[in-house]
Amino acid sequence: GAGVSQSPSNKVTEKGKDVELRCDPISGHTALYWYRQSLGQGLEFLIYFQGNSAPDKSGLPSDRFSAERTGGSVSTLTIQRTQQEDSAVYLCASSRTGVYNEQFFGPGTRLTVL
Amino acid sequence: QKEVEQNSGPLSVPEGAIASLNCTYSDRGSQSFFWYRQYSGKSPELIMFIYSNGDKEDGRFTAQLNKASQYVSLLIRDSQPSDSATYLCAVDPSDMDSNYQLIWGAGTKLIIKP
Repeated sequence: GAGVSQSPSNKVTEKGKDVELRCDPISGHTALYWYRQSLGQGLEFLIYFQGNSAPDKSGLPSDRFSAERTGGSVSTLTIQRTQQEDSAVYLCASSRTGVYNEQFFGPGTRLTVL
Repeated sequence: QKEVEQNSGPLSVPEGAIASLNCTYSDRGSQSFFWYRQYSGKSPELIMFIYSNGDKEDGRFTAQLNKASQYVSLLIRDSQPSDSATYLCAVDPSDMDSNYQLIWGAGTKLIIKP
């Protein structure tokens, strides 16, 4: 079946602009995660959605970052007033949760803030 | 705080030899363990998961879990240059405190020398 998809694959924006990144999880996966990965670094957790529960926003680095998940499926990560330090690859993953919690990643969105 | 530790490397292994990657974790109650491979510029890809003590083999890959010592290993037999990548270890504490999220190691960079 189809894997996790993300769009756009690349985004170049100017400092101060807002950007929206989209993630479409694997069908039937109730959990959805956003991570950020800077060049040569590990995964930085941003936010986690599980079903209809309130999202875990504990990883969001500032109030310029927000995310929503509509209808328990597609998610959008929004970064307002982008800064150069926001440049990174933004990865989305989904999982079934429950007994088996393996996460499957999308291809990522490479964000460059000029 | 729950932690997962990996040697950042790089680990250099001659082609055809066995590559051994190690990961230790702090939460004794952790239930499931995952190995992801991440090629440069790509997103993480799940290659192995293990839930029970002992060995689990899949082709050239063997995952080893020792819950008493709190470590999990990944062995790659007959290493190939195409195995050169960063390997991420992830642990599922499977408890409500972690909100059912995986705890990620920073990854070990593996280089297979022809």
